[in-house]
Amino acid sequence: DGGITQSPKYLFRKEGQNVTLSCEQNLNHDAMYWYRQDPGQGLRLIYYSQIVNDFQKGDIAEGYSVSREKKESFPLTVTSAQKNPTAFYLCASTDIGVSSPLHFGNGTRLTVT
Amino acid sequence: GENVEQHPSTLSVQEGDSAVIKCTYSDSASNYFPWYKQELGKGPQLIIDIRSNVGEKKDQRIAVTLNKTAKHFSLHITETQPEDSAVYFCAAWTSGAAGNKLTFGGGTRVLVKP
Repeated sequence: DGGITQSPKYLFRKEGQNVTLSCEQNLNHDAMYWYRQDPGQGLRLIYYSQIVNDFQKGDIAEGYSVSREKKESFPLTVTSAQKNPTAFYLCASTDIGVSSPLHFGNGTRLTVT
Repeated sequence: GENVEQHPSTLSVQEGDSAVIKCTYSDSASNYFPWYKQELGKGPQLIIDIRSNVGEKKDQRIAVTLNKTAKHFSLHITETQPEDSAVYFCAAWTSGAAGNKLTFGGGTRVLVKP
């Protein structure tokens, strides 16, 4: 089955700790994206990557970092600098070149206390 | 950058009635407009999309219209069923020098009452 896998589904951390969220896709997509979703809100873009070893900041990149060492993987690190890290994080991927729909994973719910 | 506004934020309809969700966008360069349905605790799923060279598209009970001049697009769900209850998001796709991005509206929570 082709798709996007986000793990874990639920993640708990203490304030001040960095945490890395995993995102793996086997769709052979070039582009990958990270979005943040707060309760009752839309999706806001954190970081995106069009190709391996390259990525761009989205609208709310402060306090986050990413890497893209492999085509199929795009991990997101939520650092201690992120003031309000508790949220639902969604990873997505798509082909590039022609506008095409994003395929989403089922998200990771991060709770920081 | 692109800004997408979505209305209403909540919508309650009787089973069998129609539901309409409206979105506006700001960037005239946006050329692709997908709609997503999100169920509780899951990622959004694409339900229909429309490109800027098309004015209307229909897929069974779901239709989308696009007015490029006015920069707005709408989702129409006819003969609503309880399983249509979910959160719906519109989005606009923009291609730029820094890459391609999808900007989302704030979402509409649809409740279909049996």
